[in-house]
Amino acid sequence: EDQVTQSPEALRLQEGESSSLNCSYTVSGLRGLFWYRQDPGKGPEFLFTLYSAGEEKEKERLKATLTKKESFLHITAPKPEDSATYLCAGEDSSYKLIFGSGTRLLVRP
Amino acid sequence: EAGVAQSPRYKIIEKRQSVAFWCNPISGHATLYWYQQILGQGPKLLIQFQNNGVVDDSQLPKDRFSAERLKGVDSTLKIQPAKLEDSAVYLCASSSSTVANYYEQYFGPGTRLTVT
Repeated sequence: EDQVTQSPEALRLQEGESSSLNCSYTVSGLRGLFWYRQDPGKGPEFLFTLYSAGEEKEKERLKATLTKKESFLHITAPKPEDSATYLCAGEDSSYKLIFGSGTRLLVRP
Repeated sequence: EAGVAQSPRYKIIEKRQSVAFWCNPISGHATLYWYQQILGQGPKLLIQFQNNGVVDDSQLPKDRFSAERLKGVDSTLKIQPAKLEDSAVYLCASSSSTVANYYEQYFGPGTRLTVT
């Protein structure tokens, strides 16, 4: 069965304290690995798509990387406005997104 | 560019009642998705439309849930009768994906349903 697992469930950081979020996946025929950000009361907002092992993408303080079994979202020197839930999703061979449960990130000033 | 619109934003109903949600996708987006997001979980796909045809409804509880997309634009999702376990946020998303090309999905703000 296709599955996406994210860890940790919740993460508290001090402003400026860098860290990484993990996404492990078992998705048959994986076409792509997606990262979304979700703020309270809002729908997910697209961040990155990764298609092949070794690929990296960056956006401001965020960098996403992909291996054959995992993806990492690295957050460098986070700010309070980076507080949100970060969702990882694997796209299967039928273009369906299979989401993990997310990591709730809180960055304290 | 206007985003995905959903209404209502909040709905409280009693179990066994019926409810309907509406979604207006981004103009020109052929693909429309309905997701269910239970508190503390990621979104789960319920149904996917390509224009006004159903592509995937394998996870839609068809005994109580129904969805339609008339004229390939707006869509409605209905629950009848509702159960307590249907309490969740219902998200609508759209994309310009086709069979040949995949593009990212844009999500609406969701409808928070509480069944009492």
